[in-house]
Amino acid sequence: GNSVTQMEGPVTLSEEAFLTINCTYTATGYPSLFWYVQYPGEGLQLLLKATKADDKGSNKGFEATYRKETTSFHLEKGSVQVSDSAVYFCALSLNTGNQFYFGTGTSLTVIP
Amino acid sequence: GAVVSQHPSWVICKSGTSVKIECRSLDFQATTMFWYRQFPKQSLMLMATSNEGSKATYEQGVEKDKFLINHASLTLSTLTVTSAHPEDSSFYICSARETGISLHFGNGTRLTVT
Repeated sequence: GNSVTQMEGPVTLSEEAFLTINCTYTATGYPSLFWYVQYPGEGLQLLLKATKADDKGSNKGFEATYRKETTSFHLEKGSVQVSDSAVYFCALSLNTGNQFYFGTGTSLTVIP
Repeated sequence: GAVVSQHPSWVICKSGTSVKIECRSLDFQATTMFWYRQFPKQSLMLMATSNEGSKATYEQGVEKDKFLINHASLTLSTLTVTSAHPEDSSFYICSARETGISLHFGNGTRLTVT
């Protein structure tokens, strides 16, 4: 089947620390991969995406590379800020359909 | 970029009453919209897929008579929680898919049933 497994949180980091949130997937087809971010009390916002193997999605200093060989899409940021505190969701979508599959989310808190 | 507007952002209602939540795609047409429910500190649970001009497709375990979905136009889908009870209290989020692959989300509706 199709599913997304991401690193459990919560994650607490000091400002300017390096961030990695692991995400692996299983898919019956050839998926597109996404990271969404949810700030407190809000809906989800698309952070970045990658549609094919070896693509790197990037936005606001965050990066993730679509690794087909390891079925992974880990999220990284070199230097986190307090404003990055949020819940991050990894997701996949099969291009042939409308269904999105979400991971359970990873809560990140960045302390000054 | 594509914007999905969801209204209201929060609502408090008494047990037994019904609540309607609207989801609009502001600058694109959405033949399909999705309704999710999110429990505290959990991921999104897909409730139903809303199809313009036809009946919604509900996920297993979601009561279609409890959660009424209407997708009357290419830019509007509504979710009505009928005869709400405290266990229906949750965060409801809609989303729509623009041409392409990305899913755009509304800001969610916090429903509290007292």
